[in-house]
Amino acid sequence: DSGVTQTPKHLITATGQRVTLRCSPRSGDLSVYWYQQSLDQGLQFLIQYYNGEERAKGNILERFSAQQFPDLHSELNLSSLELGDSALYFCASSDSPRDRNYGYTFGSGTRLTVV
Amino acid sequence: GNSVTQMEGPVTLSEEAFLTINCTYTATGYPSLFWYVQYPGEGLQLLLKATKADDKGSNKGFEATYRKETTSFHLEKGSVQVSDSAVYFCARAWRAGGTSYGKLTFGQGTILTVHP
Repeated sequence: DSGVTQTPKHLITATGQRVTLRCSPRSGDLSVYWYQQSLDQGLQFLIQYYNGEERAKGNILERFSAQQFPDLHSELNLSSLELGDSALYFCASSDSPRDRNYGYTFGSGTRLTVV
Repeated sequence: GNSVTQMEGPVTLSEEAFLTINCTYTATGYPSLFWYVQYPGEGLQLLLKATKADDKGSNKGFEATYRKETTSFHLEKGSVQVSDSAVYFCARAWRAGGTSYGKLTFGQGTILTVHP
């Protein structure tokens, strides 16, 4: 167990629908990052939150949004889903004030299948 | 632009063979460098890292040295095992001030298969 919890592990939904992916970071970590892993694009950075505020944005579509809540968990919302959104979505956390140099810890991912 | 390039796979080896997976990066400044491993059906696990030039990261028999002069961070293992079969990702990141890391930029991944 890495300490980063992602739910659900698997999600199958239809085109046009909306889903929410959830991530609980490692205890004490302030930063949450979302990544998308697909066969054609590889691992792509989507967005980063630090202590509740958006810190950086990557290749995130306008149909996607995210937020980080006061308890530091984060949600990634994907709407108007298309077949091409099928991918593994990973969450990672970092920046524990207790341990400043360890880098990132990844969750086990949510596999989204759009049919 | 800033990127990470890994040697193309897949790589297929026999058990106890020597492994090298090449990784080079383009960047200004001195990013931190990482190797991650992804076993089938699982998330990414940090294998090793190096935060400054000439640092050597090592873990589970794997090693990589941060080479500023060649902008490389090649992964090596002297004797691979069947259990090392996985996808290996090279990545880089900068600290975005203080203790905060910025985003990771990944290479495309290298599939390693080790046969008995």
